Amino acid sequence: SQTIHQWPATLVQPVGSPLSLECTVEGTSNPNLYWYRQAAGRGLQLLFYSVGIGQISSEVPQNLSASRPQDRQFILSSKKLLLSDSGFYLCAWGRDLNTGELFFGEGSRLTVL
Amino acid sequence: KQEVTQIPAALSVPEGENLVLNCSFTDSAIYNLQWFRQDPGKGLTSLLLIQSSQREQTSGRLNASLDKSSGRSTLYIAASQPGDSATYLCAVFNDYKLSFGAGTTVTVRA
Repeated sequence: SQTIHQWPATLVQPVGSPLSLECTVEGTSNPNLYWYRQAAGRGLQLLFYSVGIGQISSEVPQNLSASRPQDRQFILSSKKLLLSDSGFYLCAWGRDLNTGELFFGEGSRLTVL
Repeated sequence: KQEVTQIPAALSVPEGENLVLNCSFTDSAIYNLQWFRQDPGKGLTSLLLIQSSQREQTSGRLNASLDKSSGRSTLYIAASQPGDSATYLCAVFNDYKLSFGAGTTVTVRA
């Protein structure tokens, strides 16, 4: 069966510090991968998605970037965090880009102080 | 741009009552619609997936309907239990991504 892992689960970082959140999927190959952010009191916002190694599509211009160095690994990064980057970050995977049932990880909660 | 709306934002019912959660979307050209459950501080658990060609899906006490032409879906939860307390999210898939509503937070009182 397929599983998705995210880490760290919780992170508290000062403004201006770098960020790296990691997501890995097991039990499948060539998954489509997604990063979503859930801010307090708001719906989920798609940040990035990837259909293959090195292929990243950005949905929202922001202080964040994503990379996919391996088939089942998706990394969310920032060089300098802003207060507005605080939120709950969710990674998801899917098999088919056109019909897209998505499966989500447990999330990473980021607090920027 | 796809807009997804969920009404009501919050719902409190006594145990045993049936739950009705509503979802509407603006662009009917969707591939599927998913209902998720989210417990506080946790990730999303997929409950039901309805393909665009389907009218409804059922799983245990859960039943979801889809009227694509009118841009509506309804999630029914029969005989609610305190363990059903959570936030329920509706999401539609088109244009390569899932677009989410803000969710309905359900409290089932024992």
